[in-house]
Amino acid sequence: QKEVEQDPGPLSVPEGAIVSLNCTYSNSAFQYFMWYRQYSRKGPELLMYTYSSGNKEDGRFTAQVDKSSKYISLFIRDSQPSDSATYLCAMRSSYIPTFGRGTSLIVHP
Amino acid sequence: SAVISQKPSRDICQRGTSLTIQCQVDSQVTMMFWYRQQPGQSLTLIATANQGSEATYESGFVIDKFPISRPNLTFSTLTVSNMSPEDSSIYLCSVEDQSGADTQYFGPGTRLTVL
Repeated sequence: QKEVEQDPGPLSVPEGAIVSLNCTYSNSAFQYFMWYRQYSRKGPELLMYTYSSGNKEDGRFTAQVDKSSKYISLFIRDSQPSDSATYLCAMRSSYIPTFGRGTSLIVHP
Repeated sequence: SAVISQKPSRDICQRGTSLTIQCQVDSQVTMMFWYRQQPGQSLTLIATANQGSEATYESGFVIDKFPISRPNLTFSTLTVSNMSPEDSSIYLCSVEDQSGADTQYFGPGTRLTVL
């Protein structure tokens, strides 16, 4: 079993939809949780960062962490075609993060 | 956040040759990281480079294949040596967040194709 599991998709949604992206993990030592967005032919860009269970909101994005279930989510409200990208979850206990494979999201007009 | 640039952005190379990738950061950073991103796979850490010391390699990566230099606090190079088609990948430079947010920032990547 991989330490971090993430469905690669692709996930295709219409513009305006609420998107839910998820990762599960097996290492209970993970304390810091991140979401990165990666556009085609670009490097990953940090979107959200949290270290506690619960929700963290930033504009249209909400990161949710459930440490008891070892499950994290990223919600995107009012999705836009410009949100089309690959979203990678990452988590760490030491200074080296472990990444998921990334979920490809396509938001069509 | 740090601004990171990489050169080259992409290259097509012949089997058996070597390629050196450069990473430049707009601020001084203690730790720099080199990752590989293969199609459909998660980011894999190759090595951690601290200025003034030997790079620390992750399991499965060796210095002879991926020599790294870190001459100062804003620059690093990764060389992919004696390349084979299996080395075709995106190579990413990353630095730690100096503000204490315990996260990393990435460069735009170098897309390498080995024929």
